[in-house]
Amino acid sequence: SQQGEEDPQALSIQEGENATMNCSYKTSINNLQWYRQNSGRGLVHLILIRSNEREKHSGRLRVTLDTSKKSSSLLITASRAADTASYFCATVIPKAAGNKLTFGGGTRVLVKP
Amino acid sequence: GAGVSQSPSNKVTEKGKDVELRCDPISGHTALYWYRQSLGQGLEFLIYFQGNSAPDKSGLPSDRFSAERTGGSVSTLTIQRTQQEDSAVYLCASSLGRVMETQYFGPGTRLLVL
Repeated sequence: SQQGEEDPQALSIQEGENATMNCSYKTSINNLQWYRQNSGRGLVHLILIRSNEREKHSGRLRVTLDTSKKSSSLLITASRAADTASYFCATVIPKAAGNKLTFGGGTRVLVKP
Repeated sequence: GAGVSQSPSNKVTEKGKDVELRCDPISGHTALYWYRQSLGQGLEFLIYFQGNSAPDKSGLPSDRFSAERTGGSVSTLTIQRTQQEDSAVYLCASSLGRVMETQYFGPGTRLLVL
């Protein structure tokens, strides 16, 4: 079963706008990661935030983590058509097999030029 | 450097046949993971290899699924007597194996069972 639930399931925005998606999870975590997937193929790692961190930035990406609410958000600023993809959050649970990732259902983002 | 590679990219097979999917991890990565992505189940963990330790097979959906990792590098995922519900994209990932380490994914193998 999936650990994370993502919201919204789909998002359509104009180029230049910001895109925000949220991820909620159920159990305590070691870290939470965000991945991007284009055309249903390989996943590209975007950013990792540890359980003792609250916010992290990488280029146009901003990730927040609220462990008290068991939720995270990914913000893409000044979106581009190339940002069109599916975005997944994934959690690593303490004592899980290695760093086994448990994924959310994903948010499909469409950035219209 | 080279990333994770998987072969074949696409595989179409008939129900009941066996298939083998291959993963070449990034050189030096001791941890290797297989995941499956299907429409109904999303992204699911299948199996995990770490060095010479016994693999964690807790995610394998049935005994028709098996995997091995030879020489701590290349891994093969085998599905015997394939069923239509096995149709999915099979993704392999590798990492350095340390705690909180990023996993790097291959492009996946898209399996279609007719």
